[in-house]
Amino acid sequence: EADIYQTPRYLVIGTGKKITLECSQTMGHDKMYWYQQDPGMELHLIHYSYGVNSTEKGDLSSESTVSRIRTEHFPLTLESARPSHTSQYLCASSETGRSHRETQYFGPGTRLLVL
Amino acid sequence: QKEVEQDPGPLSVPEGAIVSLNCTYSNSAFQYFMWYRQYSRKGPELLMYTYSSGNKEDGRFTAQVDKSSKYISLFIRDSQPSDSATYLCAMSATNSGYSTLTFGKGTMLLVSP
Repeated sequence: EADIYQTPRYLVIGTGKKITLECSQTMGHDKMYWYQQDPGMELHLIHYSYGVNSTEKGDLSSESTVSRIRTEHFPLTLESARPSHTSQYLCASSETGRSHRETQYFGPGTRLLVL
Repeated sequence: QKEVEQDPGPLSVPEGAIVSLNCTYSNSAFQYFMWYRQYSRKGPELLMYTYSSGNKEDGRFTAQVDKSSKYISLFIRDSQPSDSATYLCAMSATNSGYSTLTFGKGTMLLVSP
């Protein structure tokens, strides 16, 4: 079982609030990812990181920001939440250097509802 | 055209049936193919991993890749109600190790007792 954790699991918040979704992994993986998943839709990559102090935007444009100050920690922040941000946010991690194998392990997700 | 196409279902089968789940893709650079299982309100968990073409078996699960047809399959034998979940295919290309995954939408499977 993958050791990747996300908090909170559920969040209901009002428009305009600043929120931070936490993601931590204890596997020592260098790569970490944030995906957005809406019901019946594909997972869309919104941010990824290849290591400490490395962050990149993913395929789906997002108003969120991320930071990677420690290997195990990859928080996602929304400065001003809007109803359009309502979604499920999934964090994942993987390690490189194994014949380019890209096996990602996912956390349980955070369900965000912005009113 | 999306890079990865997957029928969203739902696919309803009786317990004990053989289930076939499929994805097609358009990017010939994809080399690594995965199947994830996602239970309701949970994150996806890796089920099967296959490199290039061929078959891979793990218990009741068999993953098949046909690169010439750009088609991958997951077979579940003797399906159980606990197999009821959404199954996501995912794939990546070799790119100096800096490749990201492209996912299908997922197929919802319902196995009735």
